Amino acid sequence: NAGVTQTPKFQVLKTGQSMTLQCAQDMNHNSMYWYRQDPGMGLRLIYYSASEGTTDKGEVPNGYNVSRLNKREFSLRLESAAPSQTSVYFCASSGSGGPSRELFFGEGSRLTVL
Amino acid sequence: GNSVTQMEGPVTLSEEAFLTINCTYTATGYPSLFWYVQYPGEGLQLLLKATKADDKGSNKGFEATYRKETTSFHLEKGSVQVSDSAVYFCAVAGFQKLVFGTGTRLLVSP
Repeated sequence: NAGVTQTPKFQVLKTGQSMTLQCAQDMNHNSMYWYRQDPGMGLRLIYYSASEGTTDKGEVPNGYNVSRLNKREFSLRLESAAPSQTSVYFCASSGSGGPSRELFFGEGSRLTVL
Repeated sequence: GNSVTQMEGPVTLSEEAFLTINCTYTATGYPSLFWYVQYPGEGLQLLLKATKADDKGSNKGFEATYRKETTSFHLEKGSVQVSDSAVYFCAVAGFQKLVFGTGTRLLVSP
């Protein structure tokens, strides 16, 4: 019973490097989300995809890009990492009805940018 | 847009104490309200929710009532356990997304 799977779980980057966080869900959900979690800031939405083929910006999209590869997968890319992007990243998904239904979260990806 | 304000932590309690974590919201209309919980090293998981005014959500001994007159959704538990130690997030549904509060860490000692 995998649910939402994120990879990698941990990553250390140098400033300016690029990387992609992968997320896959096996619940046939339409909507997928990327959040970042920072101390004292709670969870802030980076990007979301309400359905396959669509993506929209959240609160803090600068420095990120996303791809909804298919219904199962939603990736988050950092083109040129900055220390301000050091954070824990969570992918989540929800079924029909969007966030008024339950959000299911992955276990998180801890990213450190030096 | 919709927003949530919840009390800062940490909240430190002894086992079997009564718990209240305050949450107030700002929203257009009457959106669904949620409490999510994050145990150490894990992602968030839904604890309870309420979809309309005066609804009470409940789960695992936790309760919260949707109060439109005070725009509040306070989380309560009558007797906390050490295993309840976690971070609790209040959230409000917006257009196609959830907006979370900053989280309240609960520490329960034996």
